[in-house]
Amino acid sequence: GQNIDQPTEMTATEGAIVQINCTYQTSGFNGLFWYQQHAGEAPTFLSYNVLDGLEEKGRFSSFLSRSKGYSYLLLKELQMKDSASYLCAVDNYGQNFVFGPGTRLSVLP
Amino acid sequence: DSGVTQTPKHLITATGQRVTLRCSPRSGDLSVYWYQQSLDQGLQFLIQYYNGEERAKGNILERFSAQQFPDLHSELNLSSLELGDSALYFCASSKKVQENTGELFFGEGSRLTVL
Repeated sequence: GQNIDQPTEMTATEGAIVQINCTYQTSGFNGLFWYQQHAGEAPTFLSYNVLDGLEEKGRFSSFLSRSKGYSYLLLKELQMKDSASYLCAVDNYGQNFVFGPGTRLSVLP
Repeated sequence: DSGVTQTPKHLITATGQRVTLRCSPRSGDLSVYWYQQSLDQGLQFLIQYYNGEERAKGNILERFSAQQFPDLHSELNLSSLELGDSALYFCASSKKVQENTGELFFGEGSRLTVL
């Protein structure tokens, strides 16, 4: 099975950089996703890592290390609208996507 | 707009009742996933269908069942409802080719309140 851990809450200041970590224990997977979810809304796709390394997408970057069972999402130039929950999810070979508990990020002015 | 449609958006019912939630996936997507999200909880995987057949099952209660129809829409049936079943139920779809999975596209969810 899979076990995914994320910090429960984080706080950062507008304009700053924040790194949200995700650690997992799984026997294998296709790739690792990051989703953003505003309260009461649907999760929306942010990034996908298959290979080890950094994937950059505008203000958002995601990193994966399969050997260390570790990923992070990096958010730069934080904006108030970035206040949301951030979910990492493991793609279990298409059988299902196992989501972590999510990290609630609060961006303060 | 993700292209995934869920109905109803809100549903209030009483304990012991039965409800059906409906999902239409994005055009061309063969795979449908159902997730449950209780208040301040993570997304719990319930069940996955691919082209009409059940492909994976999570911690879905026996009181819950689902199916995917030939037109690829899916329904999640919840029966003998309990207070603890109150949650947001999300449907998601993906193209899912056997060897290469794509991202999940989520519907807006159906918020179920059991009184």
